[in-house]
Amino acid sequence: DGGITQSPKYLFRKEGQNVTLSCEQNLNHDAMYWYRQDPGQGLRLIYYSQIVNDFQKGDIAEGYSVSREKKESFPLTVTSAQKNPTAFYLCASSLGTGREELYFGPGTRLTVT
Amino acid sequence: DAKTTQPPSMDCAEGRAANLPCNHSTISGNEYVYWYRQIHSQGPQYIIHGLKNNETNEMASLIITEDRKSSTLILPHATLRDTAVYYCIVRGDNAGNMLTFGGGTRLMVKP
Repeated sequence: DGGITQSPKYLFRKEGQNVTLSCEQNLNHDAMYWYRQDPGQGLRLIYYSQIVNDFQKGDIAEGYSVSREKKESFPLTVTSAQKNPTAFYLCASSLGTGREELYFGPGTRLTVT
Repeated sequence: DAKTTQPPSMDCAEGRAANLPCNHSTISGNEYVYWYRQIHSQGPQYIIHGLKNNETNEMASLIITEDRKSSTLILPHATLRDTAVYYCIVRGDNAGNMLTFGGGTRLMVKP
């Protein structure tokens, strides 16, 4: 059963702590993405990766870091430098970064207090 | 990528067709129109995309005007499960062009 998994679905952290959100796909897709969604808003691109060992900043990369050591994995670290980390985080993948449709995971809701 | 304008919300009666409009007056020749939807607290789901011809699949139809400045997504027989936020996105076909999600249209299907 192919798809994208994100875990956990809900995550709670104290302010000042770094936290890593996982994203795994078994679709054999080259490209992977991280989006952030705030209540009542659209999605904003944090980082994307077109190929293993390569990634680029999106529109709101400050306070976040990523790695792409394996094709199927694209973890996102929310660092203590991110001023408003509480949000819904969505991971997606696609065959490439041209016209291919994006497949999204179920999301992780992060709450930092 | 060109910007899109969608109404913030719409209602539709169950079983009737839902017609969701989108304006993209600055669209350029190589930009496609994509539609995604997001059911509450889930990841967005791809619906359909097109360049200039009308497109149909098992989920919906996409009607693009001849001048390509606007389009309409049609759900032919809306059900309660179609209640979601629908995003219209314009995107070029060059590698590295990312999907930019605006506010979308919140469609409420009512019994």
